[in-house]
Amino acid sequence: GQQVMQIPQYQHVQEGEDFTTYCNSSTTLSNIQWYKQRPGGHPVFLIQLVKSGEVKKQKRLTFQFGEAKKNSSLHITATQTTDVGTYFCAGPSTGNQFYFGTGTSLTVIP
Amino acid sequence: NAGVTQTPKFQVLKTGQSMTLQCAQDMNHEYMSWYRQDPGMGLRLIHYSVGAGITDQGEVPNGYNVSRSTTEDFPLRLLSAAPSQTSVYFCASRLQGAYSPLHFGNGTRLTVT
Repeated sequence: GQQVMQIPQYQHVQEGEDFTTYCNSSTTLSNIQWYKQRPGGHPVFLIQLVKSGEVKKQKRLTFQFGEAKKNSSLHITATQTTDVGTYFCAGPSTGNQFYFGTGTSLTVIP
Repeated sequence: NAGVTQTPKFQVLKTGQSMTLQCAQDMNHEYMSWYRQDPGMGLRLIHYSVGAGITDQGEVPNGYNVSRSTTEDFPLRLLSAAPSQTSVYFCASRLQGAYSPLHFGNGTRLTVT
């Protein structure tokens, strides 16, 4: 079945450093979604990418969808302590069920 | 709107006991689903429903039952709890279609001893 792999599993950065997490699918995706889960919280939808090569920005967050629509990345510029949490990508499989990547846990050291 | 409401927030069960995790949404979403979250495993889909009276299995359905008698409610039943079912459970809903975002409940932390 469809698999979505995410790397790295953990990332510790000093506040102000940049951060990137990568998502790779074994199959071509029609779209990909990104979610953020704060410690002790629930996943919250951030953004969706649909087009090949698409780039979207939300303030310091930049999301990119690969040209082959099999990979995606999330880049955070100049991390802040409010960025702490786990970031998940999620892609649809047959029947449009969403399968989540394993997530990247971000720790920001003040 | 309350969004997606899950109860209880915490539960401790003994092996072999049964229980039902409740999930309700007030957004008139056709699609509802249950995920479990374990360290290093991400969110894994247990069961889902695309409408009242329709349910299907996800990645890890064994040991769990679901039903969908109304649009609003999607309970998850553990018939005979096992320690391997110790996890955090999330209910999520969305409008029908692969381009709609999922809305998650606050989760239920279940421990089976």
